[in-house]
This record gives sequence, C-alpha cells and structure tokens, in this order.
Amino acid sequence: QKEVEQDPGPLSVPEGAIVSLNCTYSNSAFQYFMWYRQYSRKGPELLMYTYSSGNKEDGRFTAQVDKSSKYISLFIRDSQPSDSATYLCAMKGTSGSRLTFGEGTQLTVNP
Amino acid sequence: EAGVAQSPRYKIIEKRQSVAFWCNPISGHATLYWYQQILGQGPKLLIQFQNNGVVDDSQLPKDRFSAERLKGVDSTLKIQPAKLEDSAVYLCASSPGWTGDTQYFGPGTRLTVL
Repeated sequence: QKEVEQDPGPLSVPEGAIVSLNCTYSNSAFQYFMWYRQYSRKGPELLMYTYSSGNKEDGRFTAQVDKSSKYISLFIRDSQPSDSATYLCAMKGTSGSRLTFGEGTQLTVNP
Repeated sequence: EAGVAQSPRYKIIEKRQSVAFWCNPISGHATLYWYQQILGQGPKLLIQFQNNGVVDDSQLPKDRFSAERLKGVDSTLKIQPAKLEDSAVYLCASSPGWTGDTQYFGPGTRLTVL
C-alpha cells in the first residue's frame, strides 16, 4: 500500500468552477502537509503549507486537513485557465525533512 | 532572487552509458535535494545534503547513482551505467533550513534512456 494516495484525475472543469483535490495517507507520523503546483515542464512550486487539522485559506485556495481521517484536500474557488497544472500533495513527519508526494492530479480549466 | 538552476534541461542517452546532471541552488540555501520524477508520478527523494554532508540517501540506488555537493554549494548527480527505467525528470530543490518545509525546485532535467 502506498503511503500517500491521490485522486489521479485528470480533471477538467469550466472556468469559475470550484475544484476539489484530495489525498489520503496511511502513515500516522505525517504531521506537515503541503500542496505543490507543477506546470508542464516546470518544477513544483509550493502553494500551501499546513500543520494543524482544520482549514487554511490563501486567496482562492483553501487547504483542509483532517488528521483523524488521514485526509487532506485543496479547494480552488473561481478557477481560472491559469490554474491548469498538475497538483501534488506532499507530507512529512516531525523528524527529518523527507517529503512523500502523491502521484499528482492533472487539472484543466477550460475558458 | 535567482531560482534553482539546473543543466542540461534535456538529455538522451543509450542504456549502459553514463550521464551527469548539475544543480546550482538558491544562494545561501544550506539544504539541497535531488528528486526523481517518473512520468505520471510524484517526485521521489534520492538524496539530501545539508551543506556538503549527506543527510538522507536511503532511496538512492547506490550501485549506479552517485551525488556530491562540493563546498556546500553546487551539486552533481551521476548515473553510471544508465538503465531504461532511469528515464525520468531529475529535479533539484533547495531550502534555507533543514526542516524541508519550504523547498524551491528547479525546472528539472528530462532524461531519456534508449
């Protein structure tokens, strides 16, 4: 069993839609959770970083963590064509700095 | 602020050949990471340096992969000999601290092994 499972997609939505991206994990040691965005032929860039269970909002992006269910989500409101990319969840424990990534969800926002 | 630089951007080799990738991290960043990203998968950590010392190389196939970080700045990753399954994007990342919370990635080197 993989430590991190991510909804594979691909996902195609119309402009303005609300997008939900999800990951589950099995390792209880994971305490820090991140979402990265990766445009085609580019390296990943950090979007959101959370530690506590609950919601964290940054502009049109909301990261949600439920440690009891081992489930994290990223919501994108008012999606734009420029949001078209692959979204990767990543997480790590309290010791060390190794990130474990999900496989990514490819999102296309159609004008 | 300049980002993480990597070269070459693309490389095509035949199996059993050797190849080397170069990374220049963001100035002042103490920690440097090399990741392998196979098509359709998330990045997998190969090796982590703190300054010029290795912190984590548990997922590095040491029979064919090697890496070094001279003087705690630039780094090179080498594969010798390459196998077909090494076809992937090799990403370098750096972070200012050692916790790994904020990692800045370079554009990657896309390796194709024929």
